[in-house]
Amino acid sequence: AQSVTQPDIHITVSEGASLELRCNYSYGATPYLFWYVQSPGQGLQLLLKYFSGDTLVQGIKGFEAEFKRSQSSFNLRKPSVHWSDAAEYFCAVADTGGFKTIFGAGTRLFVKA
Amino acid sequence: DGGITQSPKYLFRKEGQNVTLSCEQNLNHDAMYWYRQDPGQGLRLIYYSQIVNDFQKGDIAEGYSVSREKKESFPLTVTSAQKNPTAFYLCASSMGQLAETQYFGPGTRLLVL
Repeated sequence: AQSVTQPDIHITVSEGASLELRCNYSYGATPYLFWYVQSPGQGLQLLLKYFSGDTLVQGIKGFEAEFKRSQSSFNLRKPSVHWSDAAEYFCAVADTGGFKTIFGAGTRLFVKA
Repeated sequence: DGGITQSPKYLFRKEGQNVTLSCEQNLNHDAMYWYRQDPGQGLRLIYYSQIVNDFQKGDIAEGYSVSREKKESFPLTVTSAQKNPTAFYLCASSMGQLAETQYFGPGTRLLVL
């Protein structure tokens, strides 16, 4: 069965510093991978997704993610964090045999001035 | 503007009471989903529907029921059989094709009195 692991429950970075959020997945074939962001008390918004092709994908708000098949990873990065990036981030993998999406437990990002 | 609406924002349930959470979308999406979110556990799928008048159980369907009589609407009933209903409930929709992006509503927080 597919699974998604986000090893870091929370991360704190200084404003202007770079960010990397880790995501590992378990899936037999080429996965469909997503990163979503959730502000407190709100729904989720898609940041970016990977289906095939170029393993480095660009998303909204200056985020990017790199698919590494050999490491079963899909880490999210941003070169310079802004205070407004403080939120919870979810990595997800889609079940290509159906319509289900499996979400990781999330990583909460804190940004300090 | 197209989107997903959920109501109410907060809902209080008394012991032994059934309550219904509303979810409406005007995106013309075929598929709709209900998730439960608890702190530190990410999103867990309750029910999903790929088409009108059809729906499938997700991973934690016990104590919940749904209907899909209209394409735009996918209400969730939390029954008295759900012994631990306190959570944040998120509704989402997608085009219905495999691995499509899901669009989320703002959520309903359910609390037990």
